[in-house]
Amino acid sequence: AQSVTQLGSHVSVSEGALVLLRCNYSSSVPPYLFWYVQYPNQGLQLLLKYTSAATLVKGINGFEAEFKKSETSFHLTKPSAHMSDAAEYFCAVSGNTGNQFYFGTGTSLTVIP
Amino acid sequence: NAGVTQTPKFRILKIGQSMTLQCTQDMNHNYMYWYRQDPGMGLKLIYYSVGAGITDKGEVPNGYNVSRSTTEDFPLRLELAAPSQTSVYFCASSWAGEGYGYTFGSGTRLTVV
Repeated sequence: AQSVTQLGSHVSVSEGALVLLRCNYSSSVPPYLFWYVQYPNQGLQLLLKYTSAATLVKGINGFEAEFKKSETSFHLTKPSAHMSDAAEYFCAVSGNTGNQFYFGTGTSLTVIP
Repeated sequence: NAGVTQTPKFRILKIGQSMTLQCTQDMNHNYMYWYRQDPGMGLKLIYYSVGAGITDKGEVPNGYNVSRSTTEDFPLRLELAAPSQTSVYFCASSWAGEGYGYTFGSGTRLTVV
């Protein structure tokens, strides 16, 4: 089965600083990769996805992620954090059957004014 | 558009009681999923369906049942509720499987006492 590792369950950044949330996956074949955001008491929303096209993927709200096959990584970045970015972020990878995704344990982002 | 609608939003059950969590989507998505979210554990797949009349187990199916009689509806049944089933449950749908992101409902917070 696929697995996803998100390094750092809690990340704090100052407003205006770079956001970097880490995601590594285990897969013998290039997978489909996703980042989701979850605001308090809400469901998950799709931020961006990698589906074997461009390795640098741009998503909503100024976020982007780069697929690096050699490092089996799909880290999420944003150049300048905003207070509204405070949320839980989940990385997900598609399973081998294509019928399900495997989620990481999440990273809680705090933005300090 | 309503997207994915889950009811109820909150529920408290006593040990041994049963209940059905409702999930409806109006996007004509073929694929539907049930996940549970526990603190620090990410999301775990309970059951999924690739179309009406077709269901399959995910990672953590024990204690749950599903049915998919229509494209729109995918209810999750809990029989003989146990404290270990205290969790937040999310329903999601997708047009197809691999490569397509999910649309999530807003969740059902269930407590078993």
